[in-house]
Amino acid sequence: DQQVKQNSPSLSVQEGRISILNCDYTNSMFDYFLWYKKYPAEGPTFLISISSIKDKNEDGRFTVFLNKSAKHLSLHIVPSQPGDSAVYFCAATRSGGSYIPTFGRGTSLIVHP
Amino acid sequence: KAGVTQTPRYLIKTRGQQVTLSCSPISGHRSVSWYQQTPGQGLQFLFEYFSETQRNKGNFPGRFSGRQFSNSRSEMNVSTLELGDSALYLCASSTDRGEDTQYFGPGTRLTVL
Repeated sequence: DQQVKQNSPSLSVQEGRISILNCDYTNSMFDYFLWYKKYPAEGPTFLISISSIKDKNEDGRFTVFLNKSAKHLSLHIVPSQPGDSAVYFCAATRSGGSYIPTFGRGTSLIVHP
Repeated sequence: KAGVTQTPRYLIKTRGQQVTLSCSPISGHRSVSWYQQTPGQGLQFLFEYFSETQRNKGNFPGRFSGRQFSNSRSEMNVSTLELGDSALYLCASSTDRGEDTQYFGPGTRLTVL
């Protein structure tokens, strides 16, 4: 039973436009969420996170939105650049303890020049 | 500060053999987690070690085992390899708590023939 779901395996976007990657979770105990980016032949790298006490967190071109009632979060990349082409993983966890993040299956983003 | 290192980067084994993978965490990180990544399955959590003790365990058979040394370095062992064990094995280190960012190594690509 997948507790973190990324229902779009892939997304294709034109350079300069907005990329929106979605993630849904089922476990209401999750209160901390992270996005990781992964290039081929490399390990995932941390991108941005959000705590459940917030509904938005911004870092440069990357913004994560959290809708707790819908158990949904999304990552917005504006403007998208070809270098953003990678697999993006959403992860959810519980704060304050030794909890391991649960990862989604990833969304492959391709940004066309 | 040096990142997470994993050795070897690539490995080819045959069915029935065993394999040992190594991970050196970021200096000062005491938590080391292991993940298996296969196409379409995202990151599947194997186990986490903290202060030489297995603290969390995923749903993998007993053929998968690990350990952590006093310097926080960790090893993962897979015995009686099966074709389905072919995957990218990722190691991640963090300070301690669930909401702390995990830093991933580049992974070991294991191919079982």
